[in-house]
Amino acid sequence: DAGITQSPRYKITETGRQVTLMCHQTWSHSYMFWYRQDLGHGLRLIYYSAAADITDKGEVPDGYVVSRSKTENFPLTLESATRSQTSVYFCASREAGGVYEQYFGPGTRLTVT
Amino acid sequence: AQSVTQLGSHVSVSEGALVLLRCNYSSSVPPYLFWYVQYPNQGLQLLLKYTSAATLVKGINGFEAEFKKSETSFHLTKPSAHMSDAAEYFCAVTVRGQNFVFGPGTRLSVLP
Repeated sequence: DAGITQSPRYKITETGRQVTLMCHQTWSHSYMFWYRQDLGHGLRLIYYSAAADITDKGEVPDGYVVSRSKTENFPLTLESATRSQTSVYFCASREAGGVYEQYFGPGTRLTVT
Repeated sequence: AQSVTQLGSHVSVSEGALVLLRCNYSSSVPPYLFWYVQYPNQGLQLLLKYTSAATLVKGINGFEAEFKKSETSFHLTKPSAHMSDAAEYFCAVTVRGQNFVFGPGTRLSVLP
């Protein structure tokens, strides 16, 4: 089925370890986004990408790295995980034009111990 | 810069009662506004959107929202709550399209 998928859905890792969260979309949307969701903060933008090989920082980029070598994939890497990065991470995508609604993946629940 | 406030982190209504979830935004230019719903352990699903075509916007599941520029508001309503409406609701604003600013969310409980 077409859509946006995230893997893994659940991840437990230790402080200091590197972890990569995957995001894949089948719509060929130009834009892709990574958010983190924390209680009381709603969703906050970590990074976004306007096209392959074009990425930019969002509101809370520190401690995260992204890449986008292919239009359909947008992995998010925590190079050295910290407990403050325990959160639910959502990937989203949207078309280049239009009315800007974003389509969200099911989320990855990450726990850093 | 844009911002969104949602009055009430938790709203409880009885089944069949009116649902009113509040959203106020701040933007120096005309915004696009959205309401999303999140069911437990799921991603966000678009309920409705305001894109300047009409101030009263109808969405899925019987929800609607009215854009009021003078009040900088975009409140979400539903005439009669159903048990299946229990979820978290997020209001979001964007002016250039790529960056959404989300409100903190309102958790809706529906009591039998």
